Amino acid sequence: DAGVIQSPRHEVTEMGQEVTLRCKPISGHDYLFWYRQTMMRGLELLIYFNNNVPIDDSGMPEDRFSAKMPNASFSTLKIQPSEPRDSAVYFCASRGTGRRIGYTFGSGTRLTVV
Amino acid sequence: GENVEQHPSTLSVQEGDSAVIKCTYSDSASNYFPWYKQELGKRPQLIIDIRSNVGEKKDQRIAVTLNKTAKHFSLHITETQPEDSAVYFCAASFIGSQGNLIFGKGTKLSVKP
Repeated sequence: DAGVIQSPRHEVTEMGQEVTLRCKPISGHDYLFWYRQTMMRGLELLIYFNNNVPIDDSGMPEDRFSAKMPNASFSTLKIQPSEPRDSAVYFCASRGTGRRIGYTFGSGTRLTVV
Repeated sequence: GENVEQHPSTLSVQEGDSAVIKCTYSDSASNYFPWYKQELGKRPQLIIDIRSNVGEKKDQRIAVTLNKTAKHFSLHITETQPEDSAVYFCAASFIGSQGNLIFGKGTKLSVKP
């Protein structure tokens, strides 16, 4: 298995632009999580899905952030409009159930908003 | 919701010494406690985990202990090596019909040769 795949690895954008981050979870994993990592706030859970359905989005900072999971193999996190304070590393993670419980992280997307 | 506290935030040890990192959690329903190691510029990687029906688990130089009554769990690394230097995160989750993973703030471990 290729693991959790995120794209792009790096994104530099200007303030006000729309940014879309992408994630492909491990095949067979039915949970998908989006985290944001900064020095100040550590690893924050933004939103998670179970069987493509958003379960808890209470961590989404504000309405500028949105996430979708149109099918079991793809999810997006969108920021519109982006602001400099959104600069962070965004990780996607997935996990299975039963014996496949382990949470596996993608390589992350380093977002810089200038 | 769940809240995880982790201590210390930084830890420096001499090569060969042991390192201990401690975490507490707030939600008594949590039943799964993984530990992650994150090297600079890389993703968090699972190094060991424990479920609430077990008090201790060991994997070579790494061990985790869990005290459900006190709601705390600890990571023990023995015979530390320079390559153990990284940021370590504890986390807690309820594995059931639903469950997210809440992380502590991390411990930066430095192992001096």
